[in-house]
Amino acid sequence: GQNIDQPTEMTATEGAIVQINCTYQTSGFNGLFWYQQHAGEAPTFLSYNVLDGLEEKGRFSSFLSRSKGYSYLLLKELQMKDSASYLCAAMDSNYQLIWGAGTKLIIKP
Amino acid sequence: IAGITQAPTSQILAAGRRMTLRCTQDMRHNAMYWYRQDLGLGLRLIHYSNTAGTTGKGEVPDGYSVSRANTDDFPLTLASAVPSQTSVYFCASSDSGTSLTNEQFFGPGTRLTVL
Repeated sequence: GQNIDQPTEMTATEGAIVQINCTYQTSGFNGLFWYQQHAGEAPTFLSYNVLDGLEEKGRFSSFLSRSKGYSYLLLKELQMKDSASYLCAAMDSNYQLIWGAGTKLIIKP
Repeated sequence: IAGITQAPTSQILAAGRRMTLRCTQDMRHNAMYWYRQDLGLGLRLIHYSNTAGTTGKGEVPDGYSVSRANTDDFPLTLASAVPSQTSVYFCASSDSGTSLTNEQFFGPGTRLTVL
């Protein structure tokens, strides 16, 4: 079957660094997406990885290891506005996204 | 219109009633999707359309139907609503449903309660 696992909730301090992990099992693999979703709002795209390695985009970076079925999202210099849920989604062989339940990130001052 | 819109924003519906959730995008995207999001679960795909005139079933299609008469609109119909269809429904679109860089853009969602 197809499955995405990520922690339910994480807490971090403003100004710190946090890493949100995601493991996936899909029928075929065409890339890994991270989305951000603030409470009561729609998900918005953060990153896409299809090759192994780290992709950096400002304060956010995303890493992929295809052999391990593993990805992480790294958030640096945390700000209060980063409090949100972070959704991991893997694209299967039919180009459909299989979504994790999301990691709720709580930022404390 | 800028991006993707959904209507209504929220709705309370009696069980057994018919309901259509509307979704419109102005980005000329070929692919459109309907998801439901429930607490503790990931987004689950209900139906999708890779291009106008075609539709496909997702992970949880039972009790729902869609049509794609043109590029912009992708309505979702609940023929006879049941309480288990209480959820937040998101419509999304992407430039292509069959390419690697399938970034999906989401509408603001419809919160549906079936009593």
